[in-house]
Amino acid sequence: EAQVTQNPRYLITVTGKKLTVTCSQNMNHEYMSWYRQDPGLGLRQIYYSMNVEVTDKGDVPEGYKVSRKEKRNFPLILESPSPNQTSLYFCASRARANYGYTFGSGTRLTVV
Amino acid sequence: AQTVTQSQPEMSVQEAETVTLSCTYDTSESDYYLFWYKQPPSRQMILVIRQEAYKQQNATENRFSVNFQKAAKSFSLKISDSQLGDAAMYFCAYRRIAGAQKLVFGQGTRLTINP
Repeated sequence: EAQVTQNPRYLITVTGKKLTVTCSQNMNHEYMSWYRQDPGLGLRQIYYSMNVEVTDKGDVPEGYKVSRKEKRNFPLILESPSPNQTSLYFCASRARANYGYTFGSGTRLTVV
Repeated sequence: AQTVTQSQPEMSVQEAETVTLSCTYDTSESDYYLFWYKQPPSRQMILVIRQEAYKQQNATENRFSVNFQKAAKSFSLKISDSQLGDAAMYFCAYRRIAGAQKLVFGQGTRLTINP
């Protein structure tokens, strides 16, 4: 089944403890993105990647890192999480020729 | 910068009735895509319908249709014969065809279906 897989689905952590949210897609898509969803703000792009080793900042990149060493994987790294990074996170991917993105099932992150 | 605005935080409709969700956007581009996504309680983002800006004809997918007014930069979603399974958060989104690869989302409209 064609899909974007995110893990974990839920995560509670403490301020300053490094964490990684994984994202993997099995559709050989070139483009991958990370978004965060907050009430009243919709979804905002954190980082995106147009291909292996090609990444760039989105609208809200502060406090996040990403890497794209393989085409299928695009992990989101929080080196020192803070409470304002408590949010719902989505990974999404699409092929270069396609119009729309396929989304993962989301990661609910709480930083206390 | 492109922006998308959904001015209705919440809407409700009786089952089997018709409801229209509003969306306006701002862009200086002439070619772009517009989307409506549905997010049920499962959190999954589901593409409902898309519209290419160069097409004058409004997109339709079964009970879902759009009213695309390019000059007014308006992109509303009409849901006909509303069903309980339509209850969800709905997001309007914009994407340029070329250049930066991101979806710009509106704030969302929570739709409740009353039985």
